[in-house]
Formats: sequence, C-alpha cells, structure tokens
Amino acid sequence: DAGVIQSPRHEVTEMGQEVTLRCKPISGHNSLFWYRQTMMRGLELLIYFNNNVPIDDSGMPEDRFSAKMPNASFSTLKIQPSEPRDSAVYFCASSSRLAGGEGNEQFFGPGTRLTVL
Amino acid sequence: AQKVTQAQTEISVVEKEDVTLDCVYETRDTTYYLFWYKQPPSGELVFLIRRNSFDEQNEISGRYSWNFQKSTSSFNFTITASQVVDSAVYFCALNAGNNRKLIWGLGTSLAVNP
Repeated sequence: DAGVIQSPRHEVTEMGQEVTLRCKPISGHNSLFWYRQTMMRGLELLIYFNNNVPIDDSGMPEDRFSAKMPNASFSTLKIQPSEPRDSAVYFCASSSRLAGGEGNEQFFGPGTRLTVL
Repeated sequence: AQKVTQAQTEISVVEKEDVTLDCVYETRDTTYYLFWYKQPPSGELVFLIRRNSFDEQNEISGRYSWNFQKSTSSFNFTITASQVVDSAVYFCALNAGNNRKLIWGLGTSLAVNP
C-alpha cells in the first residue's frame, strides 16, 4: 500500500516567493492533517480536514498560510509570501475514522523540508 | 485542559540496556486515546501503538512494551535490550474530545550507543 505522499521533499526559496506543498493521503482515509515541525516549537498542528472540509485551522499562523482539499486524494498548503521564519519541516498525515468514535492513528508522509532564504 | 508531558528530554544508554520513556497525560475526558510515535534520524514519523482509555492491559511487541496506568495518568514505553537502531526521538500523544486532534508531547531523544 502506498503511504502518504508529499511533494516536494525539499524546497528552497527566497523570501517573498509563493510556496505550495502537496499531499496525497492514504486511499480511504477521510481525515487529513498538516503539521509543522521546528526545533523551537516542536510539532504543531496547522489545520485538519474531515471529508475534505476544514474542521480546525486554529493552528495556521497567519493569513499568509492557506490550505485546500479539493478532493479526497489531494491537499495543498500554500504560503504567500514566504518568510525566513517559515523554514521548517511540513508534514502531512491522514487517518481513517474508527467505527463509533475518534482516536484512530495518523499516518505521516515523509515531510517537506522548506528553507526560506 | 489537555496536555502531554514527556519529562525526559534526552536519554543516552549503552546497547543492550533496558530503557523506559515516560509519558504523563492530562485530560478530563473519560474516553481518550494514547499514542507513541518514533522519529528516527531520517525524519519520518512512524506510528508505534494506540491505546484507548478503557483498555489498561499492557502491551508487548517484541522488545517494545507499554505500561498504561490510569491511576497515575501515565503511558510509559520500555525498550528491552536496546539497539543502536532504536536511536530516535519518541513522541507520546493524546486524542480526547470529539475531534481528531492529537496533543503531542515534546518528545524524548534516545541515543543508544554501541
């Protein structure tokens, strides 16, 4: 089975440029999560979707960040304009719903290492 | 409030030693789920185990074992006869309430030296 797929794996860009990160969840999973990981702040949840609908975007740092999920097999996280402090590893994860409740494990993609110069 | 505390920031052991990683959680929900993930130096996050609040049985998987104690709100992880390949950052996480969010600990960095 293919796991969560993220692209690109590495991105180096200059301050002010637009960055788009892509994610393909595991087939059949109905929840998708975007995380950011830095040494200073650890692992932070940015936003998550259930059935392609954004449920909680309280972790999105500011308006420069936006995320979409146009269908069950694709999501994007966009940063416009990018800033050096956005440099981090961005993970996408997906999960399915346990019958009768929440709490199923999330499976992570390999991450995108973003460097903003 | 929901919270996960991994008090050990870094642990260093010599190969073949047993090591226990501590995880203490806080939640007022009676139904919740606990997780452990491994992040090796290569960077990916690997799911290890899920436990729900109604199942306090300890779990063993090879050299790995987990001790869930509701009385102390702890979900500790023990590696028996550690190996160099066990070197990684280990995260404990909590899911509670009617949502899909995981509350993460800050992780414990384990170094197993030859």
